[in-house]
Formats: sequence, structure tokens, C-alpha cells
Amino acid sequence: DAGVTQSPTHLIKTRGQQVTLRCSPKSGHDTVSWYQQALGQGPQFIFQYYEEEERQRGNFPDRFSGHQFPNYSSELNVNALLLGDSALYLCASSLRTPGQPQHFGDGTRLSIL
Amino acid sequence: GDSVTQMEGPVTLSEEAFLTINCTYTATGYPSLFWYVQYPGEGLQLLLKATKADDKGSNKGFEATYRKETTSFHLEKGSVQVSDSAVYFCALSDSQAGTALIFGKGTTLSVSS
Repeated sequence: DAGVTQSPTHLIKTRGQQVTLRCSPKSGHDTVSWYQQALGQGPQFIFQYYEEEERQRGNFPDRFSGHQFPNYSSELNVNALLLGDSALYLCASSLRTPGQPQHFGDGTRLSIL
Repeated sequence: GDSVTQMEGPVTLSEEAFLTINCTYTATGYPSLFWYVQYPGEGLQLLLKATKADDKGSNKGFEATYRKETTSFHLEKGSVQVSDSAVYFCALSDSQAGTALIFGKGTTLSVSS
């Protein structure tokens, strides 16, 4: 049973570019959440998708957008990249029931030059 | 808003020592509480959880009890091993605010033989 898978593993971009990160949830899960983890910090919630709609959003600018597909997989898009966007981006999947744990992928390491 | 506060690290212990990592929270609703562990270069793994007051979560020798009166969820282990060296994150999910996780900043544990 595959867990949460993310691609790519690493990515290098320059300021002003756009990036798309991808996530496949754990089998049986219908909800995908995205988090940004800066070096030495805890993950910060970006947004959550369920039934192909954004259901909850953290304190991130609208340069950060996403999508969920009918097979529950998801994409995170970031436009007009800034140096401060350099981080580990984590995808987590779960069932959309309060108290259910989220299962994380290994993340995409994004570096902005 | 909701928040999680963890003790500052790093925590350095010898093998077989007793471990406590303190975690306190602030929440408007009735949160579920989690401990996650992150090994170098990897995503987060769920260690244990508790969904209501006085619940005790346990896994792999780690334990934490949901204390509503002190708004705490301290992580303990009676005898640590070198393989327990990792970063530990306390997190909450407030059902009134959705299912997104709010994390503490993490505590680095280093165990030497």
C-alpha cells in the first residue's frame, strides 16, 4: 500500500519563475493538505483540498494556488517566486474527519536562486 | 488564534535515559493533539495522537497524555535509544477551525551511546 508520494524530490528555480509541485495521496484518502517548512522550523499550513475545492487556507498570499483532481491527487503552484519561498514543501493526506491523523510525504525541497 | 509551544532544543541524552519533551497549546475549540517525528531528509511520521481530554496516546515506547486542565501534551519515553535521534513536533487540529494541523517549532533530540 503506497503512502503519500511527492514529485519532484528537489527543484531549483530563480526569482520570478513559477513552479508546480505534485502529490499523490495515500490510498483511501480523499483530502490533501500542503505545508511549507522553512529550515529549522515547524511546518506552516498553506491550504487543504477536498472534493476538488479549496476548503481551508492558511496565511499565504495568492501567489500560492492549488488544484485537486478527481483521483484525489493534487498540485501546488507558486508564481513569482521569491527567495523566501525556499523551503521543504510537504503534502499530507487524510480522511476529512476531525481528529484523523494526516500522513505526510517526504516533501519537495525547493531552492530559489 | 490557535498555537502550540514546545520546549526549546536541542535535547541531548545518553542511551537509556528518560525523555520528556514539553508541549502546551492554545485553542478555542476542542483540539485533537499529535506528536510527529521527522528523521533527517524525510517527511513527518505520526508518532501518536489523542483526541479528547485524559486520552493517552502511545507508540514505540513513547507516551503522551492529553491534559485539558493544563493544556499540555508532554511526550515521554522511559529509555531512549540512539535510533530515537530526530526532530519531534507537537501539533494540534482544532475541529472548529477545520482539520489543518498547527505545529510547534520542533525539538531536536540527540541520543548518544
